[in-house]
Amino acid sequence: TQLLEQSPQFLSIQEGENLTVYCNSSSVFSSLQWYRQEPGEGPVLLVTVVTGGEVKKLKRLTFQFGDARKDSSLHITAAQPGDTGLYLCAGPSGTYKYIFGTGTRLKVLA
Amino acid sequence: EAQVTQNPRYLITVTGKKLTVTCSQNMNHEYMSWYRQDPGLGLRQIYYSMNVEVTDKGDVPEGYKVSRKEKRNFPLILESPSPNQTSLYFCASSLTRAGGPGEQYFGPGTRLTVT
Repeated sequence: TQLLEQSPQFLSIQEGENLTVYCNSSSVFSSLQWYRQEPGEGPVLLVTVVTGGEVKKLKRLTFQFGDARKDSSLHITAAQPGDTGLYLCAGPSGTYKYIFGTGTRLKVLA
Repeated sequence: EAQVTQNPRYLITVTGKKLTVTCSQNMNHEYMSWYRQDPGLGLRQIYYSMNVEVTDKGDVPEGYKVSRKEKRNFPLILESPSPNQTSLYFCASSLTRAGGPGEQYFGPGTRLTVT
């Protein structure tokens, strides 16, 4: 069974600080997605990474897929209160299942 | 507007009373899925469907049924709900990518309480 473990589990930082969230697995993934979820709402897709070593940028967010396609990271530069939320990595598991990571709950203080 | 809709958004029911949560998508996606989200356990897949009339179990299928008679609809059925099925439920849909599920697009969620 493929698993996705995220770290840290919780993160509370001041506005303007940088942070990195990690998503790790012992299995190879054909692709990984990152989502952000607000309380009481469904996760919203941020990005998909497909190629080993791939780096994608979305404004202040930088996503990286590991060379072996077993891990990924999300780096936020100069975090803002609007970045507060639950960050989830996820991907296809086996042929048709889809699994989510354990999640990182981020709080950015003004 | 491309979207996934779920109904109802909130539901309080009693043990053993059959219920159905509806899910519909207007994006012509082949893949649809149901998840439940519980504190400390994250999002777990209940059932998924690769296409019409093709469904299979996710990681937590016990106590649930699904059907996929039309491409756009994927209802979740609880034949005899129990308190341990109290949870936040999400329906999602996606195109397929390399033969498997791709990026998931989620509905707004259904908060179910079983007393």
